[in-house]
Amino acid sequence: KAGVTQTPRYLIKTRGQQVTLSCSPISGHRSVSWYQQTPGQGLQFLFEYFSETQRNKGNFPGRFSGRQFSNSRSEMNVSTLELGDSALYLCASSSRAGGIQETQYFGPGTRLLVL
Amino acid sequence: AQTVTQSQPEMSVQEAETVTLSCTYDTSESDYYLFWYKQPPSRQMILVIRQEAYKQQNATENRFSVNFQKAAKSFSLKISDSQLGDAAMYFCAYFNNDMRFGAGTRLTVKP
Repeated sequence: KAGVTQTPRYLIKTRGQQVTLSCSPISGHRSVSWYQQTPGQGLQFLFEYFSETQRNKGNFPGRFSGRQFSNSRSEMNVSTLELGDSALYLCASSSRAGGIQETQYFGPGTRLLVL
Repeated sequence: AQTVTQSQPEMSVQEAETVTLSCTYDTSESDYYLFWYKQPPSRQMILVIRQEAYKQQNATENRFSVNFQKAAKSFSLKISDSQLGDAAMYFCAYFNNDMRFGAGTRLTVKP
């Protein structure tokens, strides 16, 4: 099976712009979670989507949003970028069937630099 | 809120020897999952081992094993016969409703 893929792998934006990151889960996985990783804050949970519905949300401002499509692919959007949004954004997928946690498998990440 | 603490920012081990990475967590839940993930320089997060809280038996995966002490809320990772490829950041993670990660332990393996 192909693993979790994320595009683009690298991105440079300027303050005030918006960005959209994409994640394709492992085939058959219906849950997609997003994480932000920074040297200062470590790994932080952004949100989880399951069957096109946001199931959980971390403590991030409304500038961070996401969605999931019927094929389970997910996108994450950050509007009005700030310098502090520079980070590695990781996506993880799992089967997460019936509320039972299955192991999350991570993609390679998208490294975002905000100038 | 659930928190995960890894008290060792850095650890070092000689090749072929054994090393233990520590992790403690705070929760009021009785049902949850614990994970160890490895993040090499490529930044790809790789699952090392998983433990369900309802299972008393400690999980093992080849050279990797855990010491799960539910009452003490402790979840340490033991790496036996360390190899150069084990060098990475290791993250302990707790899952109940969402995933919470520790700050990580950077493991260096000396040849």
